[in-house]
Amino acid sequence: QSALTQPRSVSGSPGQSVTISCTGTSSDVGGSNYVSWYQHHPGKAPKFMIYDVTKRPSGVPDRFSGSKSGNTASLTISGLQAEDEADYYCCSYAGSYSPYVFGTGTKVTVL
Amino acid sequence: EVQLVESGGGLVKPGGSLRLSCAASGFTFSGYNMNWVRQAPGKGLQWVSFISNTNSYIYYADSLQGRFSISRDNAKNTLYLQMNSLSAEDTAVYYCARSAGSYSLDHWGQGTLVTVSS
Repeated sequence: QSALTQPRSVSGSPGQSVTISCTGTSSDVGGSNYVSWYQHHPGKAPKFMIYDVTKRPSGVPDRFSGSKSGNTASLTISGLQAEDEADYYCCSYAGSYSPYVFGTGTKVTVL
Repeated sequence: EVQLVESGGGLVKPGGSLRLSCAASGFTFSGYNMNWVRQAPGKGLQWVSFISNTNSYIYYADSLQGRFSISRDNAKNTLYLQMNSLSAEDTAVYYCARSAGSYSLDHWGQGTLVTVSS
């Protein structure tokens, strides 16, 4: 199973919005409503941000939103804040025998 | 509070073996499927292995070629990863992660570093 494709980096100024894309195939992203997103500050445990494409776990600010169109899922961060600077990974269900495939990761920089 | 604490990482020579542990607390361990995920230096996250709550289903990433073995002891609230025939490509931080109900990973440990080097 190949990794999902994400841009290497995105950046924005505080208060702006950024969108991270996550492109897969019809065997994973395109064929599943189980797309999730994780925030990872280096040296810390990854944090669960979005599940089922669009849903936010309790405690995640509503500045974070998810969507999907065809084989591409997206994470949008609105009202960018300094603490949002981190690596972000998408993840999709990819079948019973290989349930999780991650994206290549995107570094978000707050200018 | 859900806690996952990995241990057992360290420096191992190529061809060697290592057993990782993940101690779980703050939830009913036997009720959840569990996973190992790794991150090699400068690389992204890679799913390694899955085990269902009752050991009925076990899956591995294809790239592991049968070298790793996942297991759990629900009486001890502990997840394990036995790693054999290690190579430099296995050098990574290894995380244990709890499966949520919708093929997502809702809680992660801080990770344990495995370094394979002579």
